[in-house]
Amino acid sequence: AQSVTQLGSHVSVSEGALVLLRCNYSSSVPPYLFWYVQYPNQGLQLLLKYTSAATLVKGINGFEAEFKKSETSFHLTKPSAHMSDAAEYFCAVRPGNTGFQKLVFGTGTRLLVSP
Amino acid sequence: NAGVTQTPKFQVLKTGQSMTLQCAQDMNHNSMYWYRQDPGMGLRLIYYSASEGTTDKGEVPNGYNVSRLNKREFSLRLESAAPSQTSVYFCASSEGGLNTEAFFGQGTRLTVV
Repeated sequence: AQSVTQLGSHVSVSEGALVLLRCNYSSSVPPYLFWYVQYPNQGLQLLLKYTSAATLVKGINGFEAEFKKSETSFHLTKPSAHMSDAAEYFCAVRPGNTGFQKLVFGTGTRLLVSP
Repeated sequence: NAGVTQTPKFQVLKTGQSMTLQCAQDMNHNSMYWYRQDPGMGLRLIYYSASEGTTDKGEVPNGYNVSRLNKREFSLRLESAAPSQTSVYFCASSEGGLNTEAFFGQGTRLTVV
């Protein structure tokens, strides 16, 4: 079964520091991968998605992620954290197969940003 | 542009009561989903509808039923609520293609006492 693993339920950074949120996937075929962000008491909002066009994907709010097939990873990064980045981040996978495929989410990583 | 609209936003039920969560999307999407979100467990798929007229079970379907009323609307019903169903429920929709993202509603916070 296809799944995603997010390492670290909480990540703490200082404002201005590098943000690195980890996501590893398991899939028998090349997957489609997504990162979502959830601010308190809100729904999920798409940050970026990998659809095989390019391995380095740029998203909103200065975030980017790199697809590494050899490491089965799709880690999310941002060079300099802002206080407004504090939120919960979810990695999700949709297997790159034919027909309809469900979107499967990881357990999430809460990003804490301190002044 | 409303996107995905869920009602109600908050609900408190007594054990054994029933209720229906409503969801509607205005993006002409083919696929719709119901997830529940619990601390430390991420989002778990309850039911989904790949296209109008079809519904299928997800990871945690027990205690729930769904209806895809038309292309726009996908409702989730709790027939006899239990405290274990206390959660935040999200409806989502997508075009249905492999590379398409899901768009989420704002959620329904349900408490069963």
